[in-house]
Amino acid sequence: VQLVQSAAEIKKPGESLKISCKGSAYSFSAFWIAWVRQVPGKGLEWMGIIYPHDSDTRYSPAFQGQVTISADTSTNTAYLQWNSLKASDTAMYYCARLTVTSNPLDYWGQGTLVTVSS
Amino acid sequence: SFALAQPPSVSVAPGQTATIPCGGNDIGRKTVHWYQQKPGQAPVLVVHDDSGRPSGIPARFSGSNSGNTATLTISGVEAGDEADYYCQVWDILDDSGIFGGGTKLTVL
Repeated sequence: VQLVQSAAEIKKPGESLKISCKGSAYSFSAFWIAWVRQVPGKGLEWMGIIYPHDSDTRYSPAFQGQVTISADTSTNTAYLQWNSLKASDTAMYYCARLTVTSNPLDYWGQGTLVTVSS
Repeated sequence: SFALAQPPSVSVAPGQTATIPCGGNDIGRKTVHWYQQKPGQAPVLVVHDDSGRPSGIPARFSGSNSGNTATLTISGVEAGDEADYYCQVWDILDDSGIFGGGTKLTVL
């Protein structure tokens, strides 16, 4: 099982961004993908999850309306998207796999560092 | 929404036992998972479903969960165990996962 995330990004405030997480060596559609934020020097924050098979998406209340999570089963890829970045979005973003919602995050991507600065 | 409380830091001498608590209201009724994160690396699952151990994780890592506290126990601590440790549960009310604030384990 592998989750490979897109490369680091440097963006300006107000710009849009979509980062990706490509799964391989397992049935991508049959497992949830979670997105987790980690601000530099801080702890892990659960953002939301998506079930690629039917695009069922659940957002943490803190991130509802702030980001969009999507998935493409034809390319085995999940996405995390912002329409208008803020400096406070500067963080490392991880994707991770889970079987069902109460199960653990058993495989993680390597992380994508997003830097938002004018 | 449900909240998880972890001490910011725990220190232990090599060879001793480290216990890292994770507090939450009636957390014993929930399923708790634990992750280890070393500097510059992605987190790694070390304990699942309160006390299960994933393949490849040493038997020195164990977990328990009862009442208002879940606990990660690391026996015979080694220098390589120095890392941040996070507990995690699923909050049914918010339909979302939650992480504890994390505990930095220092091996003296």
